[in-house]
Amino acid sequence: GQQVMQIPQYQHVQEGEDFTTYCNSSTTLSNIQWYKQRPGGHPVFLIQLVKSGEVKKQKRLTFQFGEAKKNSSLHITATQTTDVGTYFCAGRNDMRFGAGTRLTVKP
Amino acid sequence: ETGVTQTPRHLVMGMTNKKSLKCEQHLGHNAMYWYKQSAKKPLELMFVYSLEERVENNSVPSRFSPECPNSSHLFLHLHTLQPEDSALYLCASSQGRAGNSPLHFGNGTRLTVT
Repeated sequence: GQQVMQIPQYQHVQEGEDFTTYCNSSTTLSNIQWYKQRPGGHPVFLIQLVKSGEVKKQKRLTFQFGEAKKNSSLHITATQTTDVGTYFCAGRNDMRFGAGTRLTVKP
Repeated sequence: ETGVTQTPRHLVMGMTNKKSLKCEQHLGHNAMYWYKQSAKKPLELMFVYSLEERVENNSVPSRFSPECPNSSHLFLHLHTLQPEDSALYLCASSQGRAGNSPLHFGNGTRLTVT
């Protein structure tokens, strides 16, 4: 199956700082989905990107799909303690997830 | 809160025990999934059922046996497990196996094998 790589594995930021996680695939993705898992919780769907170069925003979160549809990013502006959790990307072709980026935020 | 219900929430079993995990979805979806999440590995897709037919089995050991009696229920039968099988087992459902529909996860079963 396709490989979806995510970096970084961990990110610790001061509250108010920005955060970005990257997702890279070895093959072209039909679309990509992003999920968030709070500590002790289960993954929750955030958004899906389908079109080449697509950019979507959800309040302080900006999601981007690369032109070649092989990479994607999630950027959080001015992090808050409520942003803590692990962010996963998943290629919708076969629903295999990246390893996730665990975000911790220091108040 | 979640349309996907998993029971039990926690399970401790010995290596010689037989137990089953249950998942029920109330969303009218037609595809269901089992994932394994352990501390050392990312979310691992184990099984996929679409319209009650198993369409994917990712080289999972035979000590894990799935069952999907209808589109709303999914089971994972466990027997002679190993300590390394201790993990969080997540069930998910979606409308369609591929395409644009998101996965809806249950709260998971935290399994400890002693």
